[in-house]
Amino acid sequence: KQEVTQIPAALSVPEGENLVLNCSFTDSAIYNLQWFRQDPGKGLTSLLLIQSSQREQTSGRLNASLDKSSGRSTLYIAASQPGDSATYLCAQPTGANSKLTFGKGITLSVRP
Amino acid sequence: EPEVTQTPSHQVTQMGQEVILRCVPISNHLYFYWYRQILGQKVEFLVSFYNNEISEKSEIFDDQFSVERPDGSNFTLKIRSTKLEDSAMYFCASSEIGGIYNEQFFGPGTRLTVL
Repeated sequence: KQEVTQIPAALSVPEGENLVLNCSFTDSAIYNLQWFRQDPGKGLTSLLLIQSSQREQTSGRLNASLDKSSGRSTLYIAASQPGDSATYLCAQPTGANSKLTFGKGITLSVRP
Repeated sequence: EPEVTQTPSHQVTQMGQEVILRCVPISNHLYFYWYRQILGQKVEFLVSFYNNEISEKSEIFDDQFSVERPDGSNFTLKIRSTKLEDSAMYFCASSEIGGIYNEQFFGPGTRLTVL
């Protein structure tokens, strides 16, 4: 059974710090991985989709990488801001219908 | 920018009652999904829908659940007889293409509370 793991569950950093959020997956036959942001009680906002043929994908201060051989993806946030405080989830599609399997998320708190 | 919308944002119901959760996917999208998130737990896949039929469902999606695309814009999830354990946030998602390279876009969710 495919598993997606995100450790740690929570992270607190001071404003301005560069940080890396990790995502591990067990299914090495990965084709893409999607990163989401979830604010408390809210929906899921798609941040980045990185395909297995890409090593990195960038959007503003966010950069996602994907390493199939190690079963890991990372989301790099540059110059973190209090507005970045949220839960960040990674998800891997599986099966012919590409249902997403989610990690539990990392709750990030950026202190002013 | 096009987005997935869901109504209502919050639904409170009594155990045993039927509920219908509504979603309007992005207009040119062809693949539709429902997921749920019980408080404090992972987002879980319920069902995928394409070409007016269910393409895949999870073991959670039992006979109490059904989905429908009643017209060209709405996509609904019905729970026939709600249980306490159905209390969760329900998310609708859609994607333009299927297959392994699709990107799914999620709605804001409906919080279902079963009393």
